[in-house]
Amino acid sequence: KAGVTQTPRYLIKTRGQQVTLSCSPISGHRSVSWYQQTPGQGLQFLFEYFSETQRNKGNFPGRFSGRQFSNSRSEMNVSTLELGDSALYLCASSYTGPGLAGGQETQYFGPGTRLLVL
Amino acid sequence: AQSVTQLDSHVSVSEGTPVLLRCNYSSSYSPSLFWYVQHPNKGLQLLLKYTSAATLVKGINGFEAEFKKSETSFHLTKPSAHMSDAAEYFCVVRGWHTGGFKTIFGAGTRLFVKA
Repeated sequence: KAGVTQTPRYLIKTRGQQVTLSCSPISGHRSVSWYQQTPGQGLQFLFEYFSETQRNKGNFPGRFSGRQFSNSRSEMNVSTLELGDSALYLCASSYTGPGLAGGQETQYFGPGTRLLVL
Repeated sequence: AQSVTQLDSHVSVSEGTPVLLRCNYSSSYSPSLFWYVQHPNKGLQLLLKYTSAATLVKGINGFEAEFKKSETSFHLTKPSAHMSDAAEYFCVVRGWHTGGFKTIFGAGTRLFVKA
């Protein structure tokens, strides 16, 4: 099976712009989670989608949003970019959502999208 | 509340010597625990996971971890380090608590392997 793919891999934007990142999960996986990784804050959970519904959300401002499509592909959007949004954004997929497997499901991570905000 | 503490930000070992990466956690309910490895400019790869079955968990590449509930620890070990083990390692807790379902990453431990 192909792994989790994320596009684009690298992105440069300027402050105030918006950006959309895409994630294609492993075939058959219905849950997609997004994480932000920065040197200062480490890895932080953004949100998780299962069957097109947002099931969990981390502590990020409303500028960060996401959605999931019927084919389980997911996008996240960041509006009004700030310098502090520069980060590696990781997407992870699993077969089921946390409520169905109690968190035991293994999450498989993509290579990430590295966003630089100037 | 749920939290994860990786006790060492950096660990340096010589090739062929044992590796110990320490992780302590706190969780309101029975959590699932994971160790992931991240090589430079790569995503995270699962090494092993604990999901309330055997307390000694064996993973890939010779790594293993022991879940000790009394000590709330989930330390990662490997008998003999290889140069290719040099990477950053993350301990992760997933589970339900009063605020909902949470996934918490530790701050990471960077492993250096000397020739």
